[in-house]
Amino acid sequence: AQSVTQLGSHVSVSEGALVLLRCNYSSSVPPYLFWYVQYPNQGLQLLLKYTTGATLVKGINGFEAEFKKSETSFHLTKPSAHMSDAAEYFCAVSAGTASKLTFGTGTRLQVTL
Amino acid sequence: DAGVTQSPTHLIKTRGQQVTLRCSPKSGHDTVSWYQQALGQGPQFIFQYYEEEERQRGNFPDRFSGHQFPNYSSELNVNALLLGDSALYLCASSKLAGETDTQYFGPGTRLTVL
Repeated sequence: AQSVTQLGSHVSVSEGALVLLRCNYSSSVPPYLFWYVQYPNQGLQLLLKYTTGATLVKGINGFEAEFKKSETSFHLTKPSAHMSDAAEYFCAVSAGTASKLTFGTGTRLQVTL
Repeated sequence: DAGVTQSPTHLIKTRGQQVTLRCSPKSGHDTVSWYQQALGQGPQFIFQYYEEEERQRGNFPDRFSGHQFPNYSSELNVNALLLGDSALYLCASSKLAGETDTQYFGPGTRLTVL
């Protein structure tokens, strides 16, 4: 069984500040980990993913995440927030190739001036 | 290259009715997964189709059924609709063989049950 916990349903940062969205996972097998972003009234867009290899993963729009097995974490960061980053962010885990995705409950990111 | 497309965009039904939602996968993809996203929640896995067969299923009742066609497009059918079925239904496509499990999502169908 797999599960994802996203700490903080709402996060607010100032424009230009560091963005940190937290994700912890549970998995009985080596996990594949994902971050997706959802803008209002839209589907999900893949930001980045970790499967194997390098534990620091870089994605689109300046986001990156680090897989830490010892902490069962996959936190998402961005050095400098932009107004356009305001959206809902979902962390997800799967058991491997083409397996179902198990999502967290999401974190709504607000970016203020 | 068209991405994942879904139809219709919005749908309003009444309790007890039946509904069919449609999905066309991204070009080159052969696997379709369906997810239900209730308001304020993360998506929940319903089922996945590959080679016209249901490959995996989540914890959803038999009222939820699906189909995949030879051109890889897919339908999600929900019978005897309940108020609790109101949600955004997301389709995701991927390529089963030789890929590392990247699912690409469509824009979703917003179902409202009155």
